Amino acid sequence: EAQVTQNPRYLITVTGKKLTVTCSQNMNHEYMSWYRQDPGLGLRQIYYSMNVEVTDKGDVPEGYKVSRKEKRNFPLILESPSPNQTSLYFCASSSTTGGLSNQYFGPGTRLLVL
Amino acid sequence: EDQVTQSPEALRLQEGESSSLNCSYTVSGLRGLFWYRQDPGKGPEFLFTLYSAGEEKEKERLKATLTKKESFLHITAPKPEDSATYLCAVQETDSWGKFQFGAGTQVVVTP
Repeated sequence: EAQVTQNPRYLITVTGKKLTVTCSQNMNHEYMSWYRQDPGLGLRQIYYSMNVEVTDKGDVPEGYKVSRKEKRNFPLILESPSPNQTSLYFCASSSTTGGLSNQYFGPGTRLLVL
Repeated sequence: EDQVTQSPEALRLQEGESSSLNCSYTVSGLRGLFWYRQDPGKGPEFLFTLYSAGEEKEKERLKATLTKKESFLHITAPKPEDSATYLCAVQETDSWGKFQFGAGTQVVVTP
């Protein structure tokens, strides 16, 4: 089954404790992206990657890091989380064939930073 | 600043009562406009891509249209299973990897 998986699905942490949210896709997609979703603000793009070793900033990259060492994985790293990073996070992937017209989203990771 | 604005924020419909959702955008150059459906507790699910003014796409009770400044998602004779939040997103010509989403329209269809 074609899918994007994220782990963990739920996470409670404290300010300053480094964490990583993993994202993996099994569709051999070149493109992957991270979004956060907050009430009233919709989805905002954090980082994206057009292919292995190619990453770029979205609209809200501050406080986040990413890496793309393998095609299937695109982890999101919060090196020193703060309460304003409490949010619902989605990973997505898409094929560059067809111009990224259809992004497949993961189930989401709900993060609470105390 | 580039923006994507969706209206209304929420919409309550009776089953069979057709309506339209609006997505207005201001970007320097539009490469594509996308509609997604999001059910509670789930990730968005792709519905349509529109590339040029005048283009229309249809799927079951949904029809998406595009003009130079906005897109409409028409819901014809909705059923309760059409209840969801509908999101639109834009992709610019000079930055394929970047997507800007609107805040969404929450649609509730009652029997």
